[in-house]
Amino acid sequence: ETGVTQSPTHLIKTRGQQVTLRCSSQSGHNTVSWYQQALGQGPQFIFQYYREEENGRGNFPPRFSGLQFPNYSSELNVNALELDDSALYLCASSHRGSSSGANVLTFGAGSRLTVL
Amino acid sequence: AQSVAQPEDQVNVAEGNPLTVKCTYSVSGNPYLFWYVQYPNRGLQFLLKYITGDNLVKGSYGFEAEFNKSQTSFHLKKPSALVSDSALYFCDVRDQNTGGFKTIFGAGTRLFVKA
Repeated sequence: ETGVTQSPTHLIKTRGQQVTLRCSSQSGHNTVSWYQQALGQGPQFIFQYYREEENGRGNFPPRFSGLQFPNYSSELNVNALELDDSALYLCASSHRGSSSGANVLTFGAGSRLTVL
Repeated sequence: AQSVAQPEDQVNVAEGNPLTVKCTYSVSGNPYLFWYVQYPNRGLQFLLKYITGDNLVKGSYGFEAEFNKSQTSFHLKKPSALVSDSALYFCDVRDQNTGGFKTIFGAGTRLFVKA
């Protein structure tokens, strides 16, 4: 069983640019969540995707957007990058069953974004 | 509003001694509670969860946690710490009233276990 893989592992962008981060879910998982983890902080929930639709969103502006594909892989897109967007972006997959909130999250190693 | 507090930035313990990493929370409904561990340059790994039932939950690597509804706490414990337990620990709280999908993580507690 493969785990969650994310790409790229590291990237550097300049302010105002756009970035796309990619995530492959663990086999058998149908839900993907994205998190932003700033240095020294806990992960902050960005949004969750289920059945290719956004299923819930945290306190992030619309320039943070995402996609989920039929194979349950996912993308996180961030437009008009700001310096404060520098962080580790984590993807987590899970299987949404009857008790969806109790799902265990399987995390990837993350994509570290630096905005200059 | 949902919130999670991990009041200690860092916990230091000698190998072989018991350890406790604290977590308190605030949700409007009944909580789902989780603990995850993060090693350097890795994603978070699941340790244990409380959904309902017995207040004492046992998880991976000898860790356990006790749900205390009156104190709204879910402290992580281990009877005998190992040097390899040194890592960053995160408490995760979800409000069942909101469907439980919106995870709220604490700021994390760094555990140092000294040989």
